[in-house]
Amino acid sequence: AQKITQTQPGMFVQEKEAVTLDCTYDTSDQSYGLFWYKQPSSGEMIFLIYQGSYDEQNATEGRYSLNFQKARKSANLVISASQLGDSAMYFCAMRGQGGSQGNLIFGKGTKLSVKP
Amino acid sequence: KAGVTQTPRYLIKTRGQQVTLSCSPISGHRSVSWYQQTPGQGLQFLFEYFSETQRNKGNFPGRFSGRQFSNSRSEMNVSTLELGDSALYLCASSLLYGSTDTQYFGPGTRLTVL
Repeated sequence: AQKITQTQPGMFVQEKEAVTLDCTYDTSDQSYGLFWYKQPSSGEMIFLIYQGSYDEQNATEGRYSLNFQKARKSANLVISASQLGDSAMYFCAMRGQGGSQGNLIFGKGTKLSVKP
Repeated sequence: KAGVTQTPRYLIKTRGQQVTLSCSPISGHRSVSWYQQTPGQGLQFLFEYFSETQRNKGNFPGRFSGRQFSNSRSEMNVSTLELGDSALYLCASSLLYGSTDTQYFGPGTRLTVL
């Protein structure tokens, strides 16, 4: 069965500093996608970044980068130069090859608080 | 391009009633998925539709059902509401349903069952 583990329930970071949110995953699929989403207190789930299992380069999207270590089954999110607006819940998720594995499996999330 | 829209945004119902939630995907997206989010259980997958066919279903009782229309809009229905159905219901759409297809979420419908 697929599983996502986020071991940091909450984290604090100083504004303008970088922060790494941890994510490990478990799957027997050869092809899978890894995603990070941000959920502010308003509730909407905002897509941040995607990494495919066959991608050799780490994904980057503006201030977000994904540190993908396939052998260790980890997909950590790095946020550079944190801003106050980054305070939110962050979810790591995985999507498998389809069929019963086609839906997103989410971790329990990390609550990030950015301090001024 | 407009994002995923969900209506209504907030709902208050009483036990035993039924409710219907609506989701309009991003234009051109043919896959729609529904998720339930609660503080205790986190984000749980309900079902996924593609081209009007249910492709995948999560581990929820039969009181939870859904459908997709020919324009890709989707509805989910919960009958005989229970207190435990109080949750944020999120709809997501994607172009297709593969592992590389990003799901984009709507703002959610917050359901409160009294």
